[in-house]
Amino acid sequence: DAGVIQSPRHEVTEMGQEVTLRCKPISGHDYLFWYRQTMMRGLELLIYFNNNVPIDDSGMPEDRFSAKMPNASFSTLKIQPSEPRDSAVYFCASSLGQGNSPLHFGNGTRLTVT
Amino acid sequence: AQSVTQLGSHVSVSEGALVLLRCNYSSSVPPYLFWYVQYPNQGLQLLLKYTSAATLVKGINGFEAEFKKSETSFHLTKPSAHMSDAAEYFCAVTGNNDMRFGAGTRLTVKP
Repeated sequence: DAGVIQSPRHEVTEMGQEVTLRCKPISGHDYLFWYRQTMMRGLELLIYFNNNVPIDDSGMPEDRFSAKMPNASFSTLKIQPSEPRDSAVYFCASSLGQGNSPLHFGNGTRLTVT
Repeated sequence: AQSVTQLGSHVSVSEGALVLLRCNYSSSVPPYLFWYVQYPNQGLQLLLKYTSAATLVKGINGFEAEFKKSETSFHLTKPSAHMSDAAEYFCAVTGNNDMRFGAGTRLTVKP
């Protein structure tokens, strides 16, 4: 299994531009999670999906952030417009969803907004 | 709601010494607890998990953790540190399918 695949690995953009981060979960996993990691705030859960349906988006910082999961093998996290404070590493993770199932993480997308 | 607190953002040990990374949890339901490790420029990898089958859980790379309900703790230990153990370690808890992480502890191993 190839694991969770995220793209791009690095993204540098200017303030005000739209950014789209992509994630392919492990086949058969029915939960997908988006996390943001920063030095100041650590790992924050942004949103998670079950069977492609968003379950909890209370961690999404503001309306500039949106996430979709059009099918079981693909999800996007979009920031529009981007701001310098959005600079962080964004991780996607997937799991089988039972409470004792571990998360499998991608290698993350390092976003820099200048 | 569930949460975890990791005591100590940085821990430094000598190679061959005992590693002890502390984690306390708060959960309104019986928790599932995890330890993950993160190496530079990588995602998190599972070290071990507690799912109520046994209070002492053994994981990969010689790590283990003991669940103590009376102390609401799930500390991670390794008898003898190796240089390759240098990384950031995260404790995590789930109660309702969403996993919450502690702030992390960066482990440094001195030769």
